[in-house]
Amino acid sequence: GAVVSQHPSRVICKSGTSVKIECRSLDFQATTMFWYRQFPKKSLMLMATSNEGSKATYEQGVEKDKFLINHASLTLSTLTVTSAHPEDSSFYICSARTLGGSSYEQYFGPGTRLTVT
Amino acid sequence: SQQGEEDPQALSIQEGENATMNCSYKTSINNLQWYRQNSGRGLVHLILIRSNEREKHSGRLRVTLDTSKKSSSLLITASRAADTASYFCATAPMDSSYKLIFGSGTRLLVRP
Repeated sequence: GAVVSQHPSRVICKSGTSVKIECRSLDFQATTMFWYRQFPKKSLMLMATSNEGSKATYEQGVEKDKFLINHASLTLSTLTVTSAHPEDSSFYICSARTLGGSSYEQYFGPGTRLTVT
Repeated sequence: SQQGEEDPQALSIQEGENATMNCSYKTSINNLQWYRQNSGRGLVHLILIRSNEREKHSGRLRVTLDTSKKSSSLLITASRAADTASYFCATAPMDSSYKLIFGSGTRLLVRP
C-alpha cells in the first residue's frame, strides 16, 4: 500500500525558533498533500492543501506566514512553523493523495509531535 | 465549525460485543470515509462509502450512509481488544479539491 513518512516524529524546540517538518510519499507520486493539526484527544483540523509546484491553499484562520508550506516535488512537502510559541505545540499530520487517483482516499503520515518550550 | 459531530465521544465495551459509532455532517458530500487512529499515531483508512451508496461492508466493518439525514454509522462486529483506538469519520465535500473534513471522533475501548 501507499506509504507516507514524516520526519521528525518528535521535536522539542525553544520559543522563537523555527521548525521544519517533512512529509514524503515513499512509493507513489502525490499531486496533493494536506497538512493537519491535532490537539490532544481532539479531531484533525485541516490547515492547508499543498499542490506540487504551486502555492498552498490555507484554511480560514491559519496564518500562512506562520506556517510555511513548500511542495517542491511530487514526493515531498514541508511545513515550517516559524517563530514557534508554546501554543503551537501540537500533533501535526500530513497526508497525500495519489497522482491521477480517482479515489478521494488520502494516505496519512505517522505524525510529528511538536513541543515548544 | 468545519467539523461534523460524532457520537458517542467515548465508548467502552467488552471484547466480543459490537460497537456502533455515529457521524453527522453538514454539507453535501461526494463520499464519506472512516479512519482509525491509535494513540499518538497517524490515521489508517478503513472504508469509503460514496454518496450514492447506502451500505458497505469490509470484514467486520459495516458502514451505512443516509444522505437525507446527513449521517453515517460504523459498526464493528465481534470486537477485539486490538480494536481499541479512536475512530473518525471524514467527509469529502462536493465542492472540495479532494480535501477531507473530519468529525470529532469516537474513542473506543474494548476490554479484554
